[in-house]
Amino acid sequence: GAVVSQHPSWVICKSGTSVKIECRSLDFQATTMFWYRQFPKQSLMLMATSNEGSKATYEQGVEKDKFLINHASLTLSTLTVTSAHPEDSSFYICSARDGGRSTDTQYFGPGTRLTVL
Amino acid sequence: GESVGLHLPTLSVQEGDNSIINCAYSNSASDYFIWYKQESGKGPQFIIDIRSNMDKRQGQRVTVLLNKTVKHLSLQIAATQPGDSAVYFCAENIQGAQKLVFGQGTRLTINP
Repeated sequence: GAVVSQHPSWVICKSGTSVKIECRSLDFQATTMFWYRQFPKQSLMLMATSNEGSKATYEQGVEKDKFLINHASLTLSTLTVTSAHPEDSSFYICSARDGGRSTDTQYFGPGTRLTVL
Repeated sequence: GESVGLHLPTLSVQEGDNSIINCAYSNSASDYFIWYKQESGKGPQFIIDIRSNMDKRQGQRVTVLLNKTVKHLSLQIAATQPGDSAVYFCAENIQGAQKLVFGQGTRLTINP
């Protein structure tokens, strides 16, 4: 149980284009989902927290107009990187908290490798 | 500021030996701690967790110790195997903020 998937697993795009990444909880309802970014040989940095049906809460320094987050259902959250640039190239990882359990455990997806040319 | 850090960035152990990975945290308001394992190109995998009202918790081949007095967390892996090679992150849940703060990570390598 507690499986989180991401799609795509990797994507290469041209500078200036937008890329959408999906995060799904497969066997549980995720009331809260999180988006992280991880640069090579570094730790995970939280970008934003999204609760189903409400606006995402962004961490300091993360541009909400550049990283659009939508959490329209209890099993799906999307991250759209708008007007991507090479410095946006990174490993994007989502996680989800099981709304049916009284726990703070976050279950992580496999990540999406974004490369912007 | 708030941070979760690790004493050692890399750890190399012999196969079969026990591994101990350490973590320091600075936020006394944290109420929940988790260890994650991350293999190359993959997302973090949950290993074990512990709440702040406990000082020890055991799983299969893994033990987490929490010392709130010195704000220290450790992960012990017994009889380390080649499949344990990965980067290990500690994370703390900041009570009230409901978010995780990750440490820098320790790369564990296993020598045959």
